[in-house]
Amino acid sequence: SQKIEQNSEALNIQEGKTATLTCNYTNYSPAYLQWYRQDPGRGPVFLLLIRENEKEKRKERLKVTFDTTLKQSLFHITASQPADSATYLCALGLSGGYNKLIFGAGTRLAVHP
Amino acid sequence: EAGVTQFPSHSVIEKGQTVTLRCDPISGHDNLYWYRRVMGKEIKFLLHFVKESKQDESGMPNNRFLAERTGGTYSTLKVQPAELEDSGVYFCASSPGAGQGYEKLFFGSGTQLSVL
Repeated sequence: SQKIEQNSEALNIQEGKTATLTCNYTNYSPAYLQWYRQDPGRGPVFLLLIRENEKEKRKERLKVTFDTTLKQSLFHITASQPADSATYLCALGLSGGYNKLIFGAGTRLAVHP
Repeated sequence: EAGVTQFPSHSVIEKGQTVTLRCDPISGHDNLYWYRRVMGKEIKFLLHFVKESKQDESGMPNNRFLAERTGGTYSTLKVQPAELEDSGVYFCASSPGAGQGYEKLFFGSGTQLSVL
C-alpha cells in the first residue's frame, strides 16, 4: 500500500543543536517533494522544494536531502531556536499530478532554551 | 499583499444542515485548491481549480460536497447535508503558476468545521 511516514513522536531538542526530521515513503514515485511548517491554528507555510534529480537543497539554516533509492527525505534545521518549534510536514508531488500534494502526518518539533 | 483568506474561521453545525465555506485566493493566482484534515489525520487533497475550471476533483469524498469558483476569483465549498465525519479543518491554497506542478502553495488558516 502507499504511505508516507514521518516521525510520529515529537522531537525535542536543545537550542543551538541541529534538528533532523525524516520523511519516508512507500510505493510512490514522486517527481518532487516539499516541506512545510505549520503552527497551531494556522495553515502550512512553504519552506523548501526538492526535485527527484536533486540530492540536496539549502536555504539559510534549512537543508533538505532527497534519496529516491532509499525513498527518503531528511530535513535539517541547524542552530535551532525556540522559534523553530512547530509541526513540519513533508508532501510528495507526483509527475503529471499538477499541484496535488500528498502530505505526511507531520512531525512536531520542540526546541528548548 | 494579502494572503489567502478563508471564512468563517470556525463553524459549528448540526448533522443534516448545510454549510458553505469561502476562500479568497491571493490576487492573480489562477490555481486554487481545497484540502482538509479530518480526525487528526494527514492533510488530504480535495480538488484543484485553474481559473474557473475544475482541473482535478478526485479527492472530493462524495456528492454531498460541491465546490464552485465562478469568475475564477473566490471559491466556495458547500457541504449538504453535513455528516459527523465531515468535521475537520478545511484548508484553501492558491498558486500563481500554470498549475503543472513544482509550485509552492500558499495556504489560508483554514476553517474548523464541527458537525454535531
